[in-house]
Amino acid sequence: GAGVSQSPSNKVTEKGKDVELRCDPISGHTALYWYRQSLGQGLEFLIYFQGNSAPDKSGLPSDRFSAERTGGSVSTLTIQRTQQEDSAVYLCASSLVPSYNEQFFGPGTRLTVL
Amino acid sequence: DQQVKQNSPSLSVQEGRISILNCDYTNSMFDYFLWYKKYPAEGPTFLISISSIKDKNEDGRFTVFLNKSAKHLSLHIVPSQPGDSAVYFCAASQSGNNNDMRFGAGTRLTVKP
Repeated sequence: GAGVSQSPSNKVTEKGKDVELRCDPISGHTALYWYRQSLGQGLEFLIYFQGNSAPDKSGLPSDRFSAERTGGSVSTLTIQRTQQEDSAVYLCASSLVPSYNEQFFGPGTRLTVL
Repeated sequence: DQQVKQNSPSLSVQEGRISILNCDYTNSMFDYFLWYKKYPAEGPTFLISISSIKDKNEDGRFTVFLNKSAKHLSLHIVPSQPGDSAVYFCAASQSGNNNDMRFGAGTRLTVKP
């Protein structure tokens, strides 16, 4: 694949349901990042993976949020018991190495919690 | 905490004129700055960066200026083209750490033909 892909592109769910968002980074990129953008806000950093490890999970908004990365490639962000304030665009990015290196972003998943 | 601020949510300029997008930051430890451009329904794409050892970096029509004493950077686009219409995000980090990067809220640029 040429770039970072994310699925689904849009997700509408009911409050209280769990959702799973998927990110396929660029092949060979060791670093993977999750952000979210709420309406009128900048990109909010959520979590970062170096390989399969997430050294810093402090950006996750609550314990309802979790993420994993397997095989140094695909990552999933899971939100349990979704709330309306979780509605946002969730963006995934990857970079070859974690510093002084541009991030390549996917198109995002727009999550709407009713 | 808004460590990176883009105080103008929108900017409109005429084709051919200069576009100036501004960004302010509060953390004096930031030493690497980037601009990303985002079209609707797409993820942000990297545009240009600057390290704190420089005060200017130029790439074609795009120039980024850094004023460390004022904790201010700006992106100049000359001449502006309709295809430049997008949302521009300013970002900053310490020691280039992508996992510690802070983004501004973005400025929507509209270039009118």
